[in-house]
Amino acid sequence: SQQGEEDPQALSIQEGENATMNCSYKTSINNLQWYRQNSGRGLVHLILIRSNEREKHSGRLRVTLDTSKKSSSLLITASRAADTASYFCATDTGGSEKLVFGKGTKLTVNP
Amino acid sequence: DAGITQSPRHKVTETGTPVTLRCHQTENHRYMYWYRQDPGHGLRLIHYSYGVKDTDKGEVSDGYSVSRSKTEDFLLTLESATSSQTSVYFCAIAEGVNTEAFFGQGTRLTVV
Repeated sequence: SQQGEEDPQALSIQEGENATMNCSYKTSINNLQWYRQNSGRGLVHLILIRSNEREKHSGRLRVTLDTSKKSSSLLITASRAADTASYFCATDTGGSEKLVFGKGTKLTVNP
Repeated sequence: DAGITQSPRHKVTETGTPVTLRCHQTENHRYMYWYRQDPGHGLRLIHYSYGVKDTDKGEVSDGYSVSRSKTEDFLLTLESATSSQTSVYFCAIAEGVNTEAFFGQGTRLTVV
């Protein structure tokens, strides 16, 4: 089974609202990353948070990490129609060199 | 954009035939990954490489083999394609295991 699991699987909001996506993982990690995928395209890196960090910001993105709960959240503030995409979390698996992704959250931002 | 290209971009092949997908990078990154993406499953790791001739299995490696004879190329081979291997395949590269990965544009493979 996959290391990361995003929740919810799908999210539909109105432009201007905030969008929150969650990721849970199973093993210890060194870092957790979030990626975005527009329909039919490759993934694009958004942000990386290390295991000793609790929160990180990048523009309208805010990522939190709770290693005790093995979970992370991605908050997109003041969403835009252009934020419509699928969002994935990815982790290493502690002792290995694999980069493992979850199933993703499909975000739709309605104008 | 990171220098990573996948070829071919689209391929239709018959069941039982061998297929090789190529991932080429110009970034001299150490790590290269092959994923498949299917509805409801997200991205699943097939194989990865952490250096020339150094490869390891991912979550869904059965039916796939890989080779990396030089830094810039990572080949994924389906020895005998099956319909269950119809998917979109993505290659990714990364400088280190704790750095961001860059993705290729994907290869859509259909096995009929």
